[in-house]
Amino acid sequence: QVQLVQSGDEVKKPGASVKVSCKAAGYTISSYGISWVRQAPGQGLEWMGWISSHNDNTVYARKYQGRVTMTADTSSTTVYMEVRSLRSDDTAVYYCARSSSRWNWFDPWGQGTLVTVSS
Amino acid sequence: EIVLTQSPGTLSLSPGERATLSCRASQSVSSSYLAWYQQRRGQAPRLLIYDTSSRATGIPDRFSGRGSGTDFTLTISRLEPEDFAMYYCQQYDNSPITFGQGTRLEIK
Repeated sequence: QVQLVQSGDEVKKPGASVKVSCKAAGYTISSYGISWVRQAPGQGLEWMGWISSHNDNTVYARKYQGRVTMTADTSSTTVYMEVRSLRSDDTAVYYCARSSSRWNWFDPWGQGTLVTVSS
Repeated sequence: EIVLTQSPGTLSLSPGERATLSCRASQSVSSSYLAWYQQRRGQAPRLLIYDTSSRATGIPDRFSGRGSGTDFTLTISRLEPEDFAMYYCQQYDNSPITFGQGTRLEIK
């Protein structure tokens, strides 16, 4: 079945970088894009950006431009998101979610990766 | 940016009752590009409804969506125990994609 499996939880210090992976299975990765959404503890959902697995086109939310990079490796059916210059308020669960285009609904979602930023 | 405001913040109902959740947009969401998600505690969100009123694969028909313009509604006709969770609306008409702050559906 269609599923997205994310990498494990991470603990990082302020100023460091983190790279979260999202491995797709059960569908042709090049036919869909992947969005990333984060959820701070006890908070709602925030869209971060989208990458096309077909041609590597990306769209980032303005808040994350310059600090977040999304990449795709079709040979391993894996999409990556790197966040640099981590701050304590970046502590959140990060989700990847399949999306057929840059402006679309998300289905399915990965299981989430908790990134904790603490000194 | 389109701001989505969900109401009520918390809805307390009993199994078997009908739930009506609201999502209001700060500007018109054209082409009905609005979705609803359910998030159970400790789990990832799950798509329920897309394009305002289309049920996602595997979603029971007790879930229904309607609306247009700036006002959208998710209705759960007869609540089952597993329906008590957080619900979020999302618009994908305009950049950036935005979500409502959520409605918590709790057991009364």
